[in-house]
Amino acid sequence: SYVLTQPPSVSVAPGQTATITCGGNNIGSSNVHWYQQKPGQAPVLVVYDDSDRPSGIPERFSGSNSGNTAALTISRVEAGDEADYYCQIWDLSSDHYVFGTGTKVTVL
Amino acid sequence: EVQLVESGGGLVKPGGSLRLSCAASGFSFNSYTMIWVRQAPGKGLEWVSSISTTSSYIYYADSLRGRFTVSRDNAKNSLYLQMNSLRAEDTGVYYCVRRLRVHMDVWGQGTTVTVSS
Repeated sequence: SYVLTQPPSVSVAPGQTATITCGGNNIGSSNVHWYQQKPGQAPVLVVYDDSDRPSGIPERFSGSNSGNTAALTISRVEAGDEADYYCQIWDLSSDHYVFGTGTKVTVL
Repeated sequence: EVQLVESGGGLVKPGGSLRLSCAASGFSFNSYTMIWVRQAPGKGLEWVSSISTTSSYIYYADSLRGRFTVSRDNAKNSLYLQMNSLRAEDTGVYYCVRRLRVHMDVWGQGTTVTVSS
């Protein structure tokens, strides 16, 4: 089955930029979506189709996808961005949905 | 307001069964594929099952091995997950999710399932 690998944790100072990677075999050929999950809450979609943002999501959240790595970038990080982040793709070959292993973002 | 509300979670003994429900409101339920996602305590998200608008296409995670059955009632704007032969590893929060194209744009608040003797 398809595997998406994320770093377990990323630490960033307020006002700086956080980049979360999502690695997978030829992931660049898939659309990648990103979810933010704060403690005790349901996940929230923050980026879809590699780089689009749902309404209400700040422009500080952006995405990219190429080759074997997709990335979520959070610019001008705020304390409220502290959360777990998950990437996700739809595996066409199996009609299964695959989530990444998750990354905990800590704001120092 | 678009909303998904899960119910039916609880404590069940290993080998037991549970039926989860999800009530949808604020959108045309019969126009969307629906998904169940679960999360074990302290762990990541895991896709469980998906069901197309008319129930023609149903898929399950390989790990479930035929123990779970997803269904929907478009007349009642409801999604269901019948879980049988429950194991300790099925413990977690179960989310009802709306699919938009191939991403998940609306999530319920989740219902907690605990499998323990």
